[in-house]
Amino acid sequence: EAQVTQNPRYLITVTGKKLTVTCSQNMNHEYMSWYRQDPGLGLRQIYYSMNVEVTDKGDVPEGYKVSRKEKRNFPLILESPSPNQTSLYFCASSLLGLAKTGELFFGEGSRLTVL
Amino acid sequence: GNSVTQMEGPVTLSEEAFLTINCTYTATGYPSLFWYVQYPGEGLQLLLKATKADDKGSNKGFEATYRKETTSFHLEKGSVQVSDSAVYFCALGPNDYKLSFGAGTTVTVRA
Repeated sequence: EAQVTQNPRYLITVTGKKLTVTCSQNMNHEYMSWYRQDPGLGLRQIYYSMNVEVTDKGDVPEGYKVSRKEKRNFPLILESPSPNQTSLYFCASSLLGLAKTGELFFGEGSRLTVL
Repeated sequence: GNSVTQMEGPVTLSEEAFLTINCTYTATGYPSLFWYVQYPGEGLQLLLKATKADDKGSNKGFEATYRKETTSFHLEKGSVQVSDSAVYFCALGPNDYKLSFGAGTTVTVRA
């Protein structure tokens, strides 16, 4: 089954404790992206990757890091989480970098709470 | 830059009622327009899209027409079901390697 898998789905952590949210897709998609979803703000892009070893900042990259060492994986790293990073996070992927279809395939989301 | 404004919710309807969710946009160039749907506990999934002016996207009984003159892409369904309860997002793009999403509209359909 074609899917985007995120882990963990739920996490409560404390300020400053490094964490990683993993994302893996099995569709051989070149493009992957991270969004955060906050009430009243919709989805905002954090980082994206056009292919292996190619990453770039989205609209709200502060406090986050990413890496793309393999085509299928695109982890999101919070080196020193803060309460304002409490949010619902979505990983998404697309074939051909959105240019052809504009269709994003989303994971089920990771709800992160930073105390 | 590109932006999307959609009507605020929540919207509560009875089964078989008519649903409209308004969406207007600001964009440079000629973006594609999308409606994504998020069912409870799930990620977003593409509902329908339109790639140029006057195109109509349709899926699962939902329709939306790309209106360049009014910069709108309103979502409509003639007879909603309880299973249509979800959050609906209007989006446009791609631009700068992303889609720009609206804030989302929560729709609840009562039996």
